[in-house]
Amino acid sequence: GAVVSQHPSWVICKSGTSVKIECRSLDFQATTMFWYRQFPKQSLMLMATSNEGSKATYEQGVEKDKFLINHASLTLSTLTVTSAHPEDSSFYICSAREPLAAQQLEQFFGPGTRLTVL
Amino acid sequence: GQQLNQSPQSMFIQEGEDVSMNCTSSSIFNTWLWYKQDPGEGPVLLIALYKAGELTSNGRLTAQFGITRKDSFLNISASIPSDVGIYFCAGYGGSNYKLTFGKGTLLTVNP
Repeated sequence: GAVVSQHPSWVICKSGTSVKIECRSLDFQATTMFWYRQFPKQSLMLMATSNEGSKATYEQGVEKDKFLINHASLTLSTLTVTSAHPEDSSFYICSAREPLAAQQLEQFFGPGTRLTVL
Repeated sequence: GQQLNQSPQSMFIQEGEDVSMNCTSSSIFNTWLWYKQDPGEGPVLLIALYKAGELTSNGRLTAQFGITRKDSFLNISASIPSDVGIYFCAGYGGSNYKLTFGKGTLLTVNP
């Protein structure tokens, strides 16, 4: 159980275009999902908390108009990188809490999406 | 904000050796999670710890929640080549239920 998928696994796009990344909880319902960004050889940086049916909560320094998050159902959250630029190139990873896990605090991560902006 | 100091930053060991890594914090953490990340993949949860003093095993992995609630360690016994990867500690502290990550320990196992 507690499987999280992401699509696509990698994407290459031209500067100025928008890219959508999907995060799905496959075998459980997730009212809360999280989006992280990871640069090479660095740790995970939380970008935003995605709440089903309400607006996402963004971390300080993360542009909400740049990184649009939609959590329209209990199994799907999407991250759209708008007007992407080369500095947006990174590894984006989502996670979700499994409601039936012990104390509901364990976060399970998707396999990540490698974004390269040319 | 809360910070986790993870050490060592990297380790090079021979197959069959035991490995130990740890995380410390200046503030109390209520939950410790240990993850492993392979290149190009998302982190995979290895062990979750919820009580001070708790010692939990998962196969060759053993992790403990420090009594002071400010530290945790992860041990890997009899390492094998597939143990290679980056190990992250993570935790929840105080009333902030955002997961804080350590900077990771890069483990290399020489066959």
